[in-house]
Amino acid sequence: EPEVTQTPSHQVTQMGQEVILRCVPISNHLYFYWYRQILGQKVEFLVSFYNNEISEKSEIFDDQFSVERPDGSNFTLKIRSTKLEDSAMYFCASSDDRGGEKLFFGSGTQLSVL
Amino acid sequence: GQNIDQPTEMTATEGAIVQINCTYQTSGFNGLFWYQQHAGEAPTFLSYNVLDGLEEKGRFSSFLSRSKGYSYLLLKELQMKDSASYLCAVWDTGTALIFGKGTTLSVSS
Repeated sequence: EPEVTQTPSHQVTQMGQEVILRCVPISNHLYFYWYRQILGQKVEFLVSFYNNEISEKSEIFDDQFSVERPDGSNFTLKIRSTKLEDSAMYFCASSDDRGGEKLFFGSGTQLSVL
Repeated sequence: GQNIDQPTEMTATEGAIVQINCTYQTSGFNGLFWYQQHAGEAPTFLSYNVLDGLEEKGRFSSFLSRSKGYSYLLLKELQMKDSASYLCAVWDTGTALIFGKGTTLSVSS
């Protein structure tokens, strides 16, 4: 079965540093998402992306965050100046339809901000 | 606003049946999903309901009542490997799937 791949699996960074989390969605999918999950808490929506632009973003997705699809296969999440509270598991997901269609999740990047 | 409620924890024994309930209040509704998440792993899709009624898929079934804002996931013939978190998620009017906090199910022998 096709899968969403994410790199790296673990990222450790110092507070204030920039990080880029990378994702390769399933190749024929059109909608891309980032979610995060702080340890012990729920999976939280960050942003959805379609047709090379943001479709929707949550209040978590502030000016420190940005997304990009730099080529035909990658989808990245950048955090400009990391904070301690950004420590979480970040999941990329993709789907081939906006609604009524399941999301396929990558295995996640565990970000630790020290 | 959006609110999705499900019990925090449940326990059951191998071979038993367990029902995990979910109630939701959202501004719109385009479908309800159940996902399974093992500790440290990504959520994986279990089921999808958009119309009222029961959807059966092997040992797992999911029910939806849109008028009541209610769903349940039914797991039969429980196995140890079913120990995981079960996430109820709703697609409202936007482009995002919104998750509840999840129910951690512990299956013992």
